[in-house]
Amino acid sequence: QKEVEQDPGPLSVPEGAIVSLNCTYSNSAFQYFMWYRQYSRKGPELLMYTYSSGNKEDGRFTAQVDKSSKYISLFIRDSQPSDSATYLCAASISSGSARQLTFGSGTQLTVLP
Amino acid sequence: DTAVSQTPKYLVTQMGNDKSIKCEQNLGHDTMYWYKQDSKKFLKIMFSYNNKELIINETVPNRFSPKSPDKAHLNLHINSLELGDSAVYFCASSPGTGVYEQYFGPGTRLTVT
Repeated sequence: QKEVEQDPGPLSVPEGAIVSLNCTYSNSAFQYFMWYRQYSRKGPELLMYTYSSGNKEDGRFTAQVDKSSKYISLFIRDSQPSDSATYLCAASISSGSARQLTFGSGTQLTVLP
Repeated sequence: DTAVSQTPKYLVTQMGNDKSIKCEQNLGHDTMYWYKQDSKKFLKIMFSYNNKELIINETVPNRFSPKSPDKAHLNLHINSLELGDSAVYFCASSPGTGVYEQYFGPGTRLTVT
């Protein structure tokens, strides 16, 4: 069992829809949670991060963490065709000599115009 | 100006050959990483260096040998290439070992035939 599980999709939605992307994790020691966006043939780029449980909003994007259920979510409001990409969730343990990220396998999202 | 660059972008080679991938970052970061992304988009860390010192060495065959000549460069040498080595290899960097935000390069698509 992978430490971070993510539904690979693909997920296809019409422009303007609200998108919900989800991950679950098994390691209770994870404290930092991130969402990376990866366009086709490009490297991942950090979209949002949260520490411990709670919500964080940035424009059309909201990241949510529920540590009690070990659930990570990313919501995209008013989705645009430019949001079409693979979204990778990641988690990290706060202690240790290096911030080692454990990634989910990514959800491929297509927003149709 | 490219923040994290990798060469080559594509690499096609035969089984048994030895090849190298180079990475350079101009962000002034202290920590660099090598990741492997398989065909299912699963991104897994291989190595991490902090100021030229190896700090993360995941369970990777010893045919893979990283080398950091200085903190702006991290190279990956692969001996005796196998079919299963076919993947996209990403280099990344971050400001320090304790930072979750990693900046990824564009990737090197390695195909072993």
